[in-house]
Amino acid sequence: GQSLEQPSEVTAVEGAIVQINCTYQTSGFYGLSWYQQHDGGAPTFLSYNGLDGLEETGRFSSFLSRSDSYGYLLLQELQMKDSASYFCAVRAGYNTDKLIFGTGTRLQVFP
Amino acid sequence: EADIYQTPRYLVIGTGKKITLECSQTMGHDKMYWYQQDPGMELHLIHYSYGVNSTEKGDLSSESTVSRIRTEHFPLTLESARPSHTSQYLCASSGQNVLEKLFFGSGTQLSVL
Repeated sequence: GQSLEQPSEVTAVEGAIVQINCTYQTSGFYGLSWYQQHDGGAPTFLSYNGLDGLEETGRFSSFLSRSDSYGYLLLQELQMKDSASYFCAVRAGYNTDKLIFGTGTRLQVFP
Repeated sequence: EADIYQTPRYLVIGTGKKITLECSQTMGHDKMYWYQQDPGMELHLIHYSYGVNSTEKGDLSSESTVSRIRTEHFPLTLESARPSHTSQYLCASSGQNVLEKLFFGSGTQLSVL
């Protein structure tokens, strides 16, 4: 089966850099996505890594290492509005478009 | 503007009632999904659809049913609501590569008394 592991909580201060890790076990691998969800809100797409390496989108970057079954989301110049839950996600298998989400990491940014 | 809509946003009902949660998208996406999420917890896939007249059950056992008669519409029905169904229900849709971007609706917060 598939499983994704993330730390349950991370804290940081404004202006800092934080890294949220995701390790996965899948029967096949087709890329890793990241989503942000504020309390009471819906998840919103942040980034996607189909190949190894770093993808940068403004203050957010995402990294993937397929050989290590590992990825991370890097948030720079943290702002209070970045306080949210962050989920990694993978496709469940070859012949399916089911997306499986990780356990989620709650990020709290302090002034 | 292309979007995905869910109604109602909040719903409080009594045990045994039949309810339908509505989900519509204007992006022409073939793939649509229903996720269930409890506060502070992960998202669990309960139903998905690859297109009209195509529906599949997800990984989380659910007493709900879905239908996909039109591309843009993917309603979820609970024939007899119970307190254990209290949760947030999120509808989503995607284009060809589900990993590249999943669009979520605002969700329906369901409370069954």
